[in-house]
Amino acid sequence: QVQLVQSGAEVKKPGASVKVSCKASGYTFTGYYMHWVRQAPGQGLEWMGWINPNSGGTNYAQKFQGRVTMTRDTSISTAYMELSRLRSDDTAVYYCARPISPFVVVTAIDYWGQGTLVTVSS
Amino acid sequence: QSALTQPASVSGSPGQSITISCTGTSSDVGGYNYVSWYQQHPGKAPKLMIYEVSNRPSGVSNRFSGSKSGNTASLTISGLQAEDEADYYCSSYTSSSSWVFGGGTKLTVL
Repeated sequence: QVQLVQSGAEVKKPGASVKVSCKASGYTFTGYYMHWVRQAPGQGLEWMGWINPNSGGTNYAQKFQGRVTMTRDTSISTAYMELSRLRSDDTAVYYCARPISPFVVVTAIDYWGQGTLVTVSS
Repeated sequence: QSALTQPASVSGSPGQSITISCTGTSSDVGGYNYVSWYQQHPGKAPKLMIYEVSNRPSGVSNRFSGSKSGNTASLTISGLQAEDEADYYCSSYTSSSSWVFGGGTKLTVL
């Protein structure tokens, strides 16, 4: 069965960086794009970007360009999302998420990680 | 990319039907048949309810249906049940090869 297991909660100071991992199992990691979505407390879902685990190609939401980096390690079927220059309004649950269909980015997200709470506080 | 526009809240009584709208632009909702809908209960990850405008994943009740007209997509839930009370989000693929979510709609079952 498809599983996405994320790293644990983090507490960071403003200006620092955070790197969240997402270990995939139950499917061919390089066959499916991986999205990152975040949700601030009491707020809605916000798409951050995607990575093509096969090529390493990425596409980031304009809001995060220059601050976010998505990478992957195919040898351990793990995707990473690093967010730099953290601010208090980056406090959120960060999800990795996999689409329904392989090889295409247009299909809907069907599998979600359990979420990683990142708290930014001085 | 601006968020898609959804009503903040909707409500209905058990057994009734409700519809949640999701308005975008010709660069997202209106330009592609890649609109999806998610249900989220408090403290849980979102669950896919509808994809590609009107398709239901396996296991999702046929009480949930989706449609689209122009730049506006809609989710209809018929025969409302208490367990349907949750937040609902629409999402669309965009011309930038990106995705955008709606602001979310809180459904209350009276």
